[in-house]
Amino acid sequence: QSVLTQPPSVSGAPGQRVTVSCTGNTSNIGAGYDVHWYQQLPGTAPKALIYGNDNRPSGVPDRFSASKSGTSASLAITGLQAEDEADYYCQSYDSSLSGWVFGGGTKLTVL
Amino acid sequence: EVQLVESGGGLVQPGGSLRLSCAASGFTFSYYPMNWVRQAPGKGLEWISSISGFTSTISYADSVKGRFTISRDNAKNSLYLQMNSLRADDTAIYYCAREREYCSSNTCQKYYFGYWGQGTLVTVSS
Repeated sequence: QSVLTQPPSVSGAPGQRVTVSCTGNTSNIGAGYDVHWYQQLPGTAPKALIYGNDNRPSGVPDRFSASKSGTSASLAITGLQAEDEADYYCQSYDSSLSGWVFGGGTKLTVL
Repeated sequence: EVQLVESGGGLVQPGGSLRLSCAASGFTFSYYPMNWVRQAPGKGLEWISSISGFTSTISYADSVKGRFTISRDNAKNSLYLQMNSLRADDTAIYYCAREREYCSSNTCQKYYFGYWGQGTLVTVSS
């Protein structure tokens, strides 16, 4: 059971918009700690997709955006492409655990 | 170019030990906090340990506390994970990850996992 809760899967057709939610509590996201998102393509290491709630590292397309509110965060992907099919993970810091925590991951399927 | 290369994985019996290494290059290793993250087969990411740069402040996930030890040798640009009393549920790909600093809302010294190695597979089985 992950500290941050994500839906196991989401799907969408090419060109559509999908969102992935990430729900925490008052020890992590709700305590004001930033949320980061990672993309893991099949058979590869994770890669940073969004940092500091809503910032994209250099090279990440602006089709990817994210937001945070209260004890939750959300990743949005617009103009879905086949290459976006991957697992997506949210991450934050947890003060009660004194460490980093990840969501359980969400598998995005492009139909 | 930042490079992180893990090594030391393999097959080990339950109760055994293994030492993982992560060779870093392309940046001033001593400046940056480093982490180990693992991923069991078909499962999600699990942070297991971190170590700061200069002060070597260390933290562990409860799942490995007392069994695993993280360390670093800044002179050798290397990160280590000594794993003892291994169990079947420690079977996973182990990634090292370097934190990357950013500033937000006029506050700096915030971090995310900006760089990842390719991982090394640890299998605990008899």
